[in-house]
Amino acid sequence: SAVISQKPSRDICQRGTSLTIQCQVDSQVTMMFWYRQQPGQSLTLIATANQGSEATYESGFVIDKFPISRPNLTFSTLTVSNMSPEDSSIYLCSAILEPSAASDYTFGSGTRLTVV
Amino acid sequence: GEDVEQSLFLSVREGDSSVINCTYTDSSSTYLYWYKQEPGAGLQLLTYIFSNMDMKQDQRLTVLLNKKDKHLSLRIADTQTGDSAIYFCAERQRGSARQLTFGSGTQLTVLP
Repeated sequence: SAVISQKPSRDICQRGTSLTIQCQVDSQVTMMFWYRQQPGQSLTLIATANQGSEATYESGFVIDKFPISRPNLTFSTLTVSNMSPEDSSIYLCSAILEPSAASDYTFGSGTRLTVV
Repeated sequence: GEDVEQSLFLSVREGDSSVINCTYTDSSSTYLYWYKQEPGAGLQLLTYIFSNMDMKQDQRLTVLLNKKDKHLSLRIADTQTGDSAIYFCAERQRGSARQLTFGSGTQLTVLP
């Protein structure tokens, strides 16, 4: 299965600023996703990162707040814009090698974001 | 729509078996997964099962699937303190969607 390097692993940010999280996969993957895990909660899908085109956002998430890039098949970024304390969460990227395969839903180690 | 539910907490004694339960509502689910999340870490895939299977065993882990009742369970034999973590079940649906829908997670605490 693919290995994902996600950084930063954690950060403390001032409200009103933006943070960009990066995920690098060690092999070409067909699909990449970004999830949010609020404190004590489960994972909620933010968007599917599409290579070479705009990301597909889930209900409740918008591009202006969470711009996503995916310039190639191994790399993606998520930016959390104009942050507020409510954005304090763990953000995780995920990738799958082959959509028809059962396994290979690999996750990054997560970015623990605290907004003060 | 899809909905995946789990009980929030489970405590067991070291050496006992743990059984973590999950229910889902979408009958079109194709694969069901169990992930482990240790404090401060990402998600580790433990095992998965095809929706046309009833059981899958992998070392200390046994997954049981009751498709009629839409009930999934994860049994951990000889539970150790290192098994203390949050366990998430997740489902993947048939069709073009590829993302997973996660349950709320079960916090497993293993007592010495």
